[in-house]
Amino acid sequence: KQEVTQIPAALSVPEGENLVLNCSFTDSAIYNLQWFRQDPGKGLTSLLLIQSSQREQTSGRLNASLDKSSGRSTLYIAASQPGDSATYLCAVRSAGNTGKLIFGQGTTLQVKP
Amino acid sequence: EADIYQTPRYLVIGTGKKITLECSQTMGHDKMYWYQQDPGMELHLIHYSYGVNSTEKGDLSSESTVSRIRTEHFPLTLESARPSHTSQYLCASSEYSLREQYFGPGTRLTVT
Repeated sequence: KQEVTQIPAALSVPEGENLVLNCSFTDSAIYNLQWFRQDPGKGLTSLLLIQSSQREQTSGRLNASLDKSSGRSTLYIAASQPGDSATYLCAVRSAGNTGKLIFGQGTTLQVKP
Repeated sequence: EADIYQTPRYLVIGTGKKITLECSQTMGHDKMYWYQQDPGMELHLIHYSYGVNSTEKGDLSSESTVSRIRTEHFPLTLESARPSHTSQYLCASSEYSLREQYFGPGTRLTVT
């Protein structure tokens, strides 16, 4: 059974710092991995979708990497801003699966001005 | 930009009431999903649909039911609400099963 773990559960950094969020999954047979952002009491906003054949994806100040064989993904945020404060969720879609996403518990990020 | 809507956004209701949470999308997506998220916990899939008249139960057992009579509409119903149903319910859709999922803003349900 696929399990997704995100470490740390919470992170507080000063504005301007570069940071890395970690995601690990137990079954390496994934089709793709998606990073989301969730603001308090809100839905999810998709940040990056990285296919199993890809090593990384970039969008603005965000860079997601994927090492399928070791069951790990990282989300790198450059030059963090207070507006980046949110919970970041990692979710995997297993190969042969029917589109269902398995989510981690998330990392809650606070960027202090 | 994804266009997926959920109503109501917040609902406080007494035990035993029947409720329907609405979800609609304007993108023509065939695939739609319902997730449940308890505070501070991960999302769990409770229902999904691959198209009109197609519904399946997800990984997390739920007393709710769903229907898919129209492509754009995927409502979730609780026949008799209980305090254990208090949670946030998130609806999502995607063009294909293995493509990016887009989420609605969620409905925060409290059953007293």
